[in-house]
Amino acid sequence: QKEVEQDPGPLSVPEGAIVSLNCTYSNSAFQYFMWYRQYSRKGPELLMYTYSSGNKEDGRFTAQVDKSSKYISLFIRDSQPSDSATYLCAMSAYDTDKLIFGTGTRLQVFP
Amino acid sequence: DTGVSQNPRHKITKRGQNVTFRCDPISEHNRLYWYRQTLGQGPEFLTYFQNEAQLEKSRLLSDRFSAERPKGSFSTLEIQRTEQGDSAMYLCASTPTGLAGTYEQYFGPGTRLTVT
Repeated sequence: QKEVEQDPGPLSVPEGAIVSLNCTYSNSAFQYFMWYRQYSRKGPELLMYTYSSGNKEDGRFTAQVDKSSKYISLFIRDSQPSDSATYLCAMSAYDTDKLIFGTGTRLQVFP
Repeated sequence: DTGVSQNPRHKITKRGQNVTFRCDPISEHNRLYWYRQTLGQGPEFLTYFQNEAQLEKSRLLSDRFSAERPKGSFSTLEIQRTEQGDSAMYLCASTPTGLAGTYEQYFGPGTRLTVT
């Protein structure tokens, strides 16, 4: 079993929809949680990070962490065709710098 | 601040050849990381540096792989005797000095390696 599980999609939604992306994990030592966006053949771009449980909002993006369920989410409001990309969740424990990534969910937003 | 840069962007090599990639982190970022990403997968950690010191290496990093950061600025990743299984995107990331668990890792565009 992988430490971080993420549905690879693809997830296809119409423009303007609310998108929900999710990851589950098994390592209770994870404290830091991140979402990256990756366009085809590009490097990952950091979108959001949260520490421990709770919510964080940045523009159209909201990140949620539920440590009791070992479950994290990224919500995208008013989705745009330019949001079409692969979204990667990543996490790390307090005592290490290495990030453990999910496989990524491919999102397609059609006009 | 121009972000993390990586060179070359693409490399095609024949099996058995040696290749070297370079990463220039964001200036004044003390920590530098290498990851490898294969098609349809998320990046996998390889190694990281605090200044010139290599602090952690993944078991994925076989003895054919070596990474250096001689003056605490740019880093190189060398793969000796390349194999077809080494074909992947090699990503570099950097972050400012911080406590363990620093999480704002900024990635470069990657070097795509194809071994024929």
